[in-house]
Amino acid sequence: AQSVTQPDIHITVSEGASLELRCNYSYGATPYLFWYVQSPGQGLQLLLKYFSGDTLVQGIKGFEAEFKRSQSSFNLRKPSVHWSDAAEYFCAARGAGNQFYFGTGTSLTVIP
Amino acid sequence: DSGVTQTPKHLITATGQRVTLRCSPRSGDLSVYWYQQSLDQGLQFLIQYYNGEERAKGNILERFSAQQFPDLHSELNLSSLELGDSALYFCASSVGPGETQYFGPGTRLLVL
Repeated sequence: AQSVTQPDIHITVSEGASLELRCNYSYGATPYLFWYVQSPGQGLQLLLKYFSGDTLVQGIKGFEAEFKRSQSSFNLRKPSVHWSDAAEYFCAARGAGNQFYFGTGTSLTVIP
Repeated sequence: DSGVTQTPKHLITATGQRVTLRCSPRSGDLSVYWYQQSLDQGLQFLIQYYNGEERAKGNILERFSAQQFPDLHSELNLSSLELGDSALYFCASSVGPGETQYFGPGTRLLVL
């Protein structure tokens, strides 16, 4: 079955530190991959997406993600976290039949 | 602002009642998706429409129904409401099936 796994339910980082949020997908072919961010009480905002080509994709707010086929991963990174990055992050994949699968989310806390 | 609008923002109702949630997609988008987000279930895909026709069904209860109208707006009808239906309901839209989804701000439903 197709699925998206975000192993980390909650992550805490210090402001200015680097960040990596993990995402693994289960799908035979290369899916379309997405990262969304959700601030409290808000909708989901698209950070970045990967369809094909360069495996390192740049997104908004200084985020980037790298697609690694061998590891079935699409981890989200940011070199220096800001307090405003505190939010819930969702990884998603488009699989067969144009179905979208979302991970359960990773909650990010940023401490000063 | 994603361009997707949802009304109402908040809805409080009683068990056994019926409510209708409304979504207007981004200009030019033909696909509409509905999601339910609750604390214990995460983000659950409910149903997808494309240009007025149902395209995919997810974990949508029989008490729930949706449709997409000729002007492309969509409505999600929830009936015989139960306490467990309390959740955030998101609408998303995309140009076509499987394309990048853009989310609305959500409707927060509270069933008392």
